[in-house]
Amino acid sequence: AQRVTQPEKLLSVFKGAPVELKCNYSYSGSPELFWYVQYSRQRLQLLLRHISRESIKGFTADLNKGETSFHLKKPFAQEEDSAMYYCALTPGTGRRALTFGSGTRLQVQP
Amino acid sequence: KAGVTQTPRYLIKTRGQQVTLSCSPISGHRSVSWYQQTPGQGLQFLFEYFSETQRNKGNFPGRFSGRQFSNSRSEMNVSTLELGDSALYLCASSSSGGYTEAFFGQGTRLTVV
Repeated sequence: AQRVTQPEKLLSVFKGAPVELKCNYSYSGSPELFWYVQYSRQRLQLLLRHISRESIKGFTADLNKGETSFHLKKPFAQEEDSAMYYCALTPGTGRRALTFGSGTRLQVQP
Repeated sequence: KAGVTQTPRYLIKTRGQQVTLSCSPISGHRSVSWYQQTPGQGLQFLFEYFSETQRNKGNFPGRFSGRQFSNSRSEMNVSTLELGDSALYLCASSSSGGYTEAFFGQGTRLTVV
């Protein structure tokens, strides 16, 4: 069975500091990995996916198959980055059932 | 275009009753998935419908069921409600063809008393 682990419930940093939100997964095949974000009083929305290999709002995430990790990073945190972040995976092959981690709340202090 | 719409937003039901939640996907999206979010278990996949057919099902009891109509609107039903069914139920829609972004609704907050 697939599983996504986000070890930190809360990550608090100061504005301008680097951010790394950790995500580890277990799945025997080749999953697709995602980061979803939920800002205060907004809907859950996609931040980025590993296939795209893109940077969104300054965030990047690299899939490390050897370590089965998909950590989310940003070199300089902004106050508007404060939100709940969820790592998620699908089994791939177009299947849409997302398995989510428990989420990490990022607080960026001024 | 309009986002995913879920109705009602809030619902209070009594143990033993049944409830039906509705989800209208983004126009043109044919895949609708449902998730349950609770403080203890987090976000858990319930089921996915595509073109009126259930394609995937999560690990929930048979009291949880769903369906999708020809216009892609979806409903989920929970029968014989239990206190533990209190949760935020989220619906997400996606366009067809491979994996594409899931767009989430704002959810229906169900409270079972």
